[in-house]
Amino acid sequence: NAGVMQNPRHLVRRRGQEARLRCSPMKGHSHVYWYRQLPEEGLKFMVYLQKENIIDESGMPKERFSAEFPKEGPSILRIQQVVRGDSAAYFCASSTLAGATDTQYFGPGTRLTVL
Amino acid sequence: ILNVEQSPQSLHVQEGDSTNFTCSFPSSNFYALHWYRWETAKSPEALFVMTLNGDEKKKGRISATLNTKEGYSYLYIKGSQPEDSATYLCAAYNAGNMLTFGGGTRLMVKP
Repeated sequence: NAGVMQNPRHLVRRRGQEARLRCSPMKGHSHVYWYRQLPEEGLKFMVYLQKENIIDESGMPKERFSAEFPKEGPSILRIQQVVRGDSAAYFCASSTLAGATDTQYFGPGTRLTVL
Repeated sequence: ILNVEQSPQSLHVQEGDSTNFTCSFPSSNFYALHWYRWETAKSPEALFVMTLNGDEKKKGRISATLNTKEGYSYLYIKGSQPEDSATYLCAAYNAGNMLTFGGGTRLMVKP
């Protein structure tokens, strides 16, 4: 059973470009979470999605950031008009259910560098 | 937003030493505490999920305890080995229905 997959693993963008980060959850998992790790900081929650629905986006910046988890295909985190402050590692996690005791399984992350 | 704190930030021990570190979290609206082990260049790996006050979980040489009334959890490693070198993360799940992570404790075990 393949784990959570993320691609690309490394992404370099110039200021003003768009970044698209992909996350394929574990098989059978319908809940996806995105976290961001800024340099020298811990993991911070961004958004929680179920298939075709955004459940909680309270941790995601209101401008330039969007996320989706379509019926078919991976979850996408999209950052428009990237700025240097967006440089970070972005991690995706998935779970079968979304309760307090349900384990979230993490992918290897995408390291975004904005030049 | 929860404030989850871990101490120390980093720890160096010799192979064979036993060690422990702390995760503190708000005790109000507490639902569960998760511990993860995160090796460099790999994905965070789930260790334990704990919910009950006084709960103790064990996995090999690693164990954890939970005090929900005072808002802390300890992670213990008995007889540390170089392969235990990693960052250990705790995360609290509260009424906001999300995991809030601490900054992690980075453990380095010297052979």
